[in-house]
This record gives sequence, structure tokens and C-alpha cells, in this order.
Amino acid sequence: AQSVAQPEDQVNVAEGNPLTVKCTYSVSGNPYLFWYVQYPNRGLQFLLKYITGDNLVKGSYGFEAEFNKSQTSFHLKKPSALVSDSALYFCAVRDRGSTLGRLYFGRGTQLTVWP
Amino acid sequence: DGGITQSPKYLFRKEGQNVTLSCEQNLNHDAMYWYRQDPGQGLRLIYYSQIVNDFQKGDIAEGYSVSREKKESFPLTVTSAQKNPTAFYLCASSGQASQPQHFGDGTRLSIL
Repeated sequence: AQSVAQPEDQVNVAEGNPLTVKCTYSVSGNPYLFWYVQYPNRGLQFLLKYITGDNLVKGSYGFEAEFNKSQTSFHLKKPSALVSDSALYFCAVRDRGSTLGRLYFGRGTQLTVWP
Repeated sequence: DGGITQSPKYLFRKEGQNVTLSCEQNLNHDAMYWYRQDPGQGLRLIYYSQIVNDFQKGDIAEGYSVSREKKESFPLTVTSAQKNPTAFYLCASSGQASQPQHFGDGTRLSIL
């Protein structure tokens, strides 16, 4: 069974500090991994993905994520947080061996960056 | 610009009424998806379709129906059998499995 866990419902950081939003996953095969961001009353916006290759993936707005196969984790990071980064963040996984193509999402982590 | 259009932005349903949410994409994607979002519960998959004239139930299909008569369109009907329809509904589409899903801006459904 495929599943995604985001262990923190909320993450609070001060502006200028580094931020980390955690994600662990469980898939029966090798994963495609994604991070999305959602602002109030909007759809999800794609941030970055891991397909293959370098374990450190760089994405939009200065975000990056590190794929760790042994720990089955894909944590989202940013070296210096901005107030405008405050939003709801979702991690998602797809089994690359599956023909169904559906994504499995975590429950989301609300990030608040304080000025 | 390519993208996904959901309409209406806000929708109200009376007791015993069916309502249909529209989702149109011009990304030439084969696969389309409907999700329901409730506070604190993340996204739950209602239905998805990988090709025209074919669709599969997701995790919470009861009380919902869909059709996929055209590649560009994947409307969702919330039937009167869905007893708790108040939620934010998101439509998405995708091409290859390695590519991200693209999302519309959602429809917020409320009960009168």
C-alpha cells in the first residue's frame, strides 16, 4: 500500500531562519516524489519533484528537497524563510511501477513564518 | 495559457439536489482527477480517469458520479446521496507519470 506521512501539522519559523517540512513515504516500488504548496482558496502549485539522479532537488522560490532512500524521506527545505512562504505544504508520492498513475498525498503541513 | 479551469468558484446546494462541478483542461493531458479537501484531512481522491470514456473510483466515490466524454472535460456530479458535501473540490490533470499533476483553483460547495 502507498502512503505518505507528514508528521507535523504545523511548523513555525522566524523570517530569515532555515525551514524544514518533513515527509516520509511508503510505496511498494520506486517512487516519484513531489512537493506542492497551497495558498488560501487556491489550488495546489507544484514546487519540485524527485525522479532520479541527484538526491538534492532544487525547485521554485528557493525551495529544495532531499531524497533519502534508506529513511524513505523527502524533506522540504529552504535556507532562509520569508513571510510570503506561509502556506499549506503537501508531499505526494507515485509508484513509478504502477499503471494507475494516481498520487498519494500527505495530510499537509501548515507553515507559518513570523516577521 | 495552458491550464485547468474549474467553475463555478462557489456553489450552493439545497437538500435533495444534485449539482455538477465543471473541470476543463487545455493541457492535452490524458489523466484527470477529482479531490475533496476538508480542513485537517488533506486531499482525498474521489474519481480519476486515465483515458476518455473510462474512469475509476477513488477512495471516497460514494455519493459522487463523473463522466469523461471528451479529453478536455471531466465534470463531477455531487448527488443527493452525498450527505456531507460541504468541502473544497479540486480538479487536476497529468500527462506522463513522472510529471506533476496540475490543479485548478477549486470549487467551494456549501449547503443551503
